[in-house]
Order: sequence, then structure tokens, then C-alpha cells
Amino acid sequence: NAGVTQTPKFQVLKTGQSMTLQCAQDMNHNSMYWYRQDPGMGLRLIYYSASEGTTDKGEVPNGYNVSRLNKREFSLRLESAAPSQTSVYFCASSDATGAGELFFGEGSRLTVL
Amino acid sequence: GQQVMQIPQYQHVQEGEDFTTYCNSSTTLSNIQWYKQRPGGHPVFLIQLVKSGEVKKQKRLTFQFGEAKKNSSLHITATQTTDVGTYFCAGRRSGGYNKLIFGAGTRLAVHP
Repeated sequence: NAGVTQTPKFQVLKTGQSMTLQCAQDMNHNSMYWYRQDPGMGLRLIYYSASEGTTDKGEVPNGYNVSRLNKREFSLRLESAAPSQTSVYFCASSDATGAGELFFGEGSRLTVL
Repeated sequence: GQQVMQIPQYQHVQEGEDFTTYCNSSTTLSNIQWYKQRPGGHPVFLIQLVKSGEVKKQKRLTFQFGEAKKNSSLHITATQTTDVGTYFCAGRRSGGYNKLIFGAGTRLAVHP
């Protein structure tokens, strides 16, 4: 039982390159989330998926797209990376739509040069 | 939009001293959660408070939810070096499906 698994753990990109962060959970949770964490700013919600088949914008969605591939998987795509997207990205899931604790993955550290 | 403010941003204590972090929301919350993140780690859920005026304890940790459901606090009694990390509050607004909005966190350093 791995919980929430994110890949890759580390990535370095050049400005303008694209990439996808993958996230999978094995807890049969309905809701999944992508957060970014920057020093002094806590965790800011990028996108979330309340249930399979739905996605919605969070606080800082610009420059990102998401796909809820199935109940287990929720990916985050950067189409044209910018230095401002250098951050640590966390995927999370919860078992109750709009409620319940979040289970976080170990994070993906992204550097955009 | 909804904002959750957390203070202090950073706190040094000597081992054995107490520590408190405070969380304030601009809107009434349906519930508030607290998470701990160890250095280099990921946030881990500690507790959820739902009722107005609720107080919950976990060993040396005491969590409170304000009467107006707009503020919360986490108090650690007699800190230990294992308490080191960043403590986040996260609030959810009332009504419908609402996202969890995190405070900026309080980073706790404990000196032996």
C-alpha cells in the first residue's frame, strides 16, 4: 500500500520546455489535488479534481493543465515552463468530496532555468 | 477570496519551552485542519476541528477552534527536538464543495 506516489522526484527544465508530473493513489479516494510550495508561502492549490471526470481551478492555475485520467491518476502538465514555476509540487488525495484529511505524496522538486 | 493567515512565521525555542501558532481566516470556516511537515518531507495530517469552541489534545499538543470558527491555535507543551518542522493550518469554507486553503505555516526550531 504505497499511498500517494509522485514522479519524478526531481526535474530540471529549461524555459519553454514542457513536462508532466504524474500522481497516482491506491486508496480509492475520490478527490485529488495539486499544490505548489514556495518558501514563506505555504501550500497553494493549483488544480483539484473533486471526483473522477471533473477538474477545477485552484488559487494559482495559470501556466498549468491537469488531467484526471481515472480514479487513481491525476497528472499536472506544464506546457511552457517558466522560472516562476520553480517550486516543490505536491499531489494529495482525500476520501471524501469536499471534506476529510489530505494524504500527500513525497513531492516533486522542479527547477526551471 | 478566502485567506488564511498564520503567525508567527518562524519560532525558535529551547527544548522544554512551550510553543503556540495561531491561524486566522477572513471567512467563517466549516472546519480547520492542522498538518506537520518535517524538513525535507511532505505534510502529514495531525487533526481536524469542526465544532465552534472545540478543543482537542494529542499528548503534548492542544488544538483549539474559535467560537466564531474563524481562528484556531496549536499549542505544544514542553517542546522536544522531535517537534521540529513546519506546522500548517488549513481551512475549508462552509457550504458546498470547498477547497482546503493553507496558511503560510509556522516553522519551529527547537534547540537542545
